[in-house]
This record gives sequence, structure tokens and C-alpha cells, in this order.
Amino acid sequence: DAGITQSPRHKVTETGTPVTLRCHQTENHRYMYWYRQDPGHGLRLIHYSYGVKDTDKGEVSDGYSVSRSKTEDFLLTLESATSSQTSVYFCATSRTSYETQYFGPGTRLLVL
Amino acid sequence: AQTVTQSQPEMSVQEAETVTLSCTYDTSESDYYLFWYKQPPSRQMILVIRQEAYKQQNATENRFSVNFQKAAKSFSLKISDSQLGDAAMYFCAYTLLQGGSEKLVFGKGTKLTVNP
Repeated sequence: DAGITQSPRHKVTETGTPVTLRCHQTENHRYMYWYRQDPGHGLRLIHYSYGVKDTDKGEVSDGYSVSRSKTEDFLLTLESATSSQTSVYFCATSRTSYETQYFGPGTRLLVL
Repeated sequence: AQTVTQSQPEMSVQEAETVTLSCTYDTSESDYYLFWYKQPPSRQMILVIRQEAYKQQNATENRFSVNFQKAAKSFSLKISDSQLGDAAMYFCAYTLLQGGSEKLVFGKGTKLTVNP
């Protein structure tokens, strides 16, 4: 499996505060993805990146922004967290857009 | 809308028996990729098996195999000789070509329980 780490692994924050989640990979994969997982919804794509500084929106991008300044790191930012953003967030990477995605361990975020 | 449907929210199987998890999808594309991922209680997403739509031969991976019916847009997962460690959520997914890049679209999952 690709070496993918996510930080923090758990976070509790208050409504209205900014939150940044980090995904770090050591496999030099070009593509990186952020998903959220909620009961009854499976995994839904938030944003993805197809290269350094190249990003695009996914299915549920409202309220989220991303940045990728180097190949190994992909940041997900909640500018002003809301309770509806309480979820488990997964990062994934892949070598090409059509190859297998490998997932990080997830970050559990609770917005009070 | 491009969707993936897993019609069985929960399934159970006896240890050493065989179980089949169903998945159907909706796409107008002719070339795509299909996946089954496993999510155990640790929440780690683990690839189980992958199928290229252009290949007629069904993919197999040890005790895991698929029944890929392209015309019916069906992609079921068969687990043979079920083991306690197979207990997990199973997600079916396929790649959606959008904006020049492929993205994974997931079903809502099937929770598999393995009874000793």
C-alpha cells in the first residue's frame, strides 16, 4: 500500500473556526483526493488534485477548499466549520487517474 | 446521474461458506473501471479487487471473485470460504470520467457479518 498519512487523526472544534486537515504521501503519486464518509452516504468526493497546484471540485465541495504546493502534501481547509461538516475524512492517492486509489487511515472531525 | 447501487445494506454468512454481494451501476461510458473496497472496523479502506470494463474475464483475487455483467451493468462480489476477518463494510465503486479526469463514485456499502 502507498504510504499515506493523515493528520490530525481526531479533532474536535467549534462552529465557525477554521480547520485544516493534512494528507501526506510518500509514493510520488500524481493524483490525490479528499472524501468524506457519512452514514447512509458511503464516500463522497470533496476535491481532488491532478498535480501540484492543479485541483478541481468534487461532488460535495461547498464549504471546503484545498491546496497542493508540493507533490506529497494535499491540504483540506474548512474556512468556517459547521456542524454539517462533522464527518470522517479520507485522503486517497493514485498514480494515474484510472488506477487504484489507496486510502489513508482517515480523520474523524467533530464540529460542536 | 451516475450512480452505484448496493441493494443489500446488510448480509451475513457462516464461516467457511460462500456469500455474494451485489452491485449495479449506471453509466453511459463504454470504458471504465470497477472496484470493491473493504472497510473493517479500523476504518481503513482496503482494495479487494479491480475490474477493467474492457476485459471480459472476471477478476479473481484468492478467495474473492467478481461476476461482471457489462450489459446488465452488474458487478457482484463473491467471497468463498468466508473467514471471520472478512467481516467489514464492503463498498462497490466505479470510475466516472468528468472534466478530463476519472473519479471514483461509491455505493453506500454492504455490512457483512461472518458468524462462527
